[in-house]
Amino acid sequence: RKEVEQDPGPFNVPEGATVAFNCTYSNSASQSFFWYRQDCRKEPKLLMSVYSSGNEDGRFTAQLNRASQYISLLIRDSKLSDSATYLCVVNIFGNEKLTFGTGTRLTIIP
Amino acid sequence: DAGVTQSPTHLIKTRGQQVTLRCSPKSGHDTVSWYQQALGQGPQFIFQYYEEEERQRGNFPDRFSGHQFPNYSSELNVNALLLGDSALYLCASSLGRASDTQYFGPGTRLTVL
Repeated sequence: RKEVEQDPGPFNVPEGATVAFNCTYSNSASQSFFWYRQDCRKEPKLLMSVYSSGNEDGRFTAQLNRASQYISLLIRDSKLSDSATYLCVVNIFGNEKLTFGTGTRLTIIP
Repeated sequence: DAGVTQSPTHLIKTRGQQVTLRCSPKSGHDTVSWYQQALGQGPQFIFQYYEEEERQRGNFPDRFSGHQFPNYSSELNVNALLLGDSALYLCASSLGRASDTQYFGPGTRLTVL
């Protein structure tokens, strides 16, 4: 079983729609959770951290369910500029490495 | 404030050759991690350098080695290149060993023919 699993997509969504991504992780000792965004042929960039209480940043909402080992990202009122690959990332406390999922590719259609 | 820089941007090598990739961390950061990203996959952790020592290693063979210099910059060396080593190699810098706030450089795209 992969440490971090994501639906690779692609998700093709009309502009203005709401889209949700899910991610599951296998190690219950995981302590830190993130969503990264990666544009084509560019480096990953931190989109937002994910907290147990859930957190929101503008049109983006991230949630964590520790009991189910499940992370989600919701994008509301999607823009053309949201087209990218979204990577689910997990870190075990005290561990030096970030563990990435394979990414979910999103294309926003005009 | 300079971000993470990597060189070269692109590189083409043939099987069996050796390659050296370079990374300068973000100003004020002392830790460098290296990741390999194959096409269509997420980045995979290779190893991390802190205080000029390899602190943790992912599931990569000994053909992959590295070094960190006193100014915190780092090199990744790959010997006896295989076709499967073709990938985007990403360097990430952070402050401290176990920091999960890592900033990525633009990467070096290696093609092995």
